[in-house]
Amino acid sequence: GENVEQHPSTLSVQEGDSAVIKCTYSDSASNYFPWYKQELGKRPQLIIDIRSNVGEKKDQRIAVTLNKTAKHFSLHITETQPEDSAVYFCAASSGGSYIPTFGRGTSLIVHP
Amino acid sequence: GAVVSQHPSWVICKSGTSVKIECRSLDFQATTMFWYRQFPKQSLMLMATSNEGSKATYEQGVEKDKFLINHASLTLSTLTVTSAHPEDSSFYICSAPSRTYGYTFGSGTRLTVV
Repeated sequence: GENVEQHPSTLSVQEGDSAVIKCTYSDSASNYFPWYKQELGKRPQLIIDIRSNVGEKKDQRIAVTLNKTAKHFSLHITETQPEDSAVYFCAASSGGSYIPTFGRGTSLIVHP
Repeated sequence: GAVVSQHPSWVICKSGTSVKIECRSLDFQATTMFWYRQFPKQSLMLMATSNEGSKATYEQGVEKDKFLINHASLTLSTLTVTSAHPEDSSFYICSAPSRTYGYTFGSGTRLTVV
């Protein structure tokens, strides 16, 4: 089955700095890679996603890059703000099953 | 967008009793529903996949007789924790896939067994 590794587990930055979270996956058939933000006690919220036919996608301060050859994808947050503090999860799934495999999560802390 | 409503949001029950958690897709048909369990500061662990009109598929290590899943309609899936014990205390959350919105999560249920 799919295996998703996510790093780092904790990331602490100063407000205004950039934050990068990296994930690798094992199944070359995976073709959908969503990123979720989860605040304490709440549901994960989709913040951005990318499909395997695209190398990069950007939405305001958030961008995701995908390297299919190396099987890794990354989340980039620029100009971080305290409200960006949360746990971020990456996931990978293939179109056939739609069952996502989640990374272990990254706790992002943005210091004012 | 796609919305999944999950109830209850929190529940406290006595050891040995059963608890039912419901997830409803409000504006789309969810032929599949994923059920996850999340311990504090940990990731989402898939417990089972329910499919409308058929038996659920359980992940390895998940007791199907303890965690009963029913997906009787295209808009409702339920998870019943039977004979709950304190070690079953956790955050349970459902998720339904949609082609347009990826995976839509319910709001989660915090179960505490005392």
